[in-house]
Amino acid sequence: EIVLTQSPGTLSLSPGERATLSCRASQSISSSYLAWYQQKPGQAPRLLIYGAFSRATGIPDRFSGSGSETDFTLTISRLEPEDFAVYFCQHYDNSLWTFGQGTKVEIK
Amino acid sequence: EVQLVQSGAEVKKPGDSLKISCKVSGYSFTLYWIVWVRQMPGKGLEWMGNIFPSDSDTRYNPSFQGQVTISADTSISSAYLQWSSLKASDTAIYYCARQAVKRSFDLWGRGTLVTVSS
Repeated sequence: EIVLTQSPGTLSLSPGERATLSCRASQSISSSYLAWYQQKPGQAPRLLIYGAFSRATGIPDRFSGSGSETDFTLTISRLEPEDFAVYFCQHYDNSLWTFGQGTKVEIK
Repeated sequence: EVQLVQSGAEVKKPGDSLKISCKVSGYSFTLYWIVWVRQMPGKGLEWMGNIFPSDSDTRYNPSFQGQVTISADTSISSAYLQWSSLKASDTAIYYCARQAVKRSFDLWGRGTLVTVSS
């Protein structure tokens, strides 16, 4: 089973700063099935990125995804107040979906 | 409007049975897989299983196999997650979501909070 490890656990930044979130897989994975989600307190997760690079419908272009093999990154180019939340990466392989443990982006 | 509407919060006792629902509107229910995701208090997301409503093909995360049952009723565009005997450790928020492009989950219900306590 593939394990996804996200880092850091918590990222303390100010609005306007750049956020770089990491998702590392325990073995090489297909970027086709790597997704990122945002979850705010009391809300359901929201799909941000699918296929490692593609933004979901309605997602602002300050969100971007990159990476390959075992290392994937979600970048928020300039943090807006509404971006402070928890972010999860997710992967599908062999009929199984796994999630990373999440990175919390908090206001510094 | 495309949406997944989940049933309301439940408070149950250990050993009780429970069936929660996820009603789809705004798109063809039979064309997309529906998934169920668990989020225990203060924790991350866990895929439990999914169902293709058109033929009821169902897949389970091995961690949840035998613990829950996933079903669907195409006549009312609803998917279900049920337990025959709840445990305190089943306390969590349960989300349904639509499985979409490249196996991502593009639409989510608001979640159903299940509390199991004696």
